[in-house]
Amino acid sequence: QVQLQESGPGLVKPSQTLSLTCTVSGGSITTGGYHWSWIRQHPGKGLEWIAYIYSSGSTYYNPSLKSRVAISLGTSQNQFSLKLSSVTAADTAIYYCARRPLAAYYFDSWGRGTLVTVSS
Amino acid sequence: QSALTQPASVSGSPGQSITISCTGTSGDVGDYNYVSWYQKYPGQGPKLIIYDVSIRPSGISNRFSGSKSGNTASLTISGLQAEDEADYYCSSYSGGGTLWLFGGGSKLTVL
Repeated sequence: QVQLQESGPGLVKPSQTLSLTCTVSGGSITTGGYHWSWIRQHPGKGLEWIAYIYSSGSTYYNPSLKSRVAISLGTSQNQFSLKLSSVTAADTAIYYCARRPLAAYYFDSWGRGTLVTVSS
Repeated sequence: QSALTQPASVSGSPGQSITISCTGTSGDVGDYNYVSWYQKYPGQGPKLIIYDVSIRPSGISNRFSGSKSGNTASLTISGLQAEDEADYYCSSYSGGGTLWLFGGGSKLTVL
């Protein structure tokens, strides 16, 4: 049973870069078969897909965030990361990492999420 | 403003059935049979309960069912139980650009 766990600072200052890591247990993200995504939820709002990465390192970004986002595989084979630059209060959200089977169009495993607040 | 439109809240009594709608456009819900539904409890991550409009993952109760007509997808929960009280989110593949769209979520209250 795969498990995903987000980690990172809970408070980021405006204009700085938000950095989060997702640690995957119960399976390796480098063996293929899945895309690994970041998804966020603004307070009291719906969900917003941010980006995904495959084990090969190929990436795809939400066009609305593409200029500020970078997703990468971690130094550990079971981690991947998100960087969001030039953050503002509008980036305050719960950030989730999630797994999507390669040929599927749904997310079958999610982390519990981590709240990131952008404030000075 | 979420990309897909869901009612903010729905409610029902134990044993009853409720339906949550999810309205998109011809570019997402209407064009693809790739609607999924997620159940979310406070403090937990979303859990997949329906994919590809109407398929239940292994281990999901058959009280949950999904359907689609035109640009609107629906989640029906029959035989409501107290444990069904949660937030429910729909999602649809949208082809290009954003790829995946989500609804704003519907809070289900079991009376």
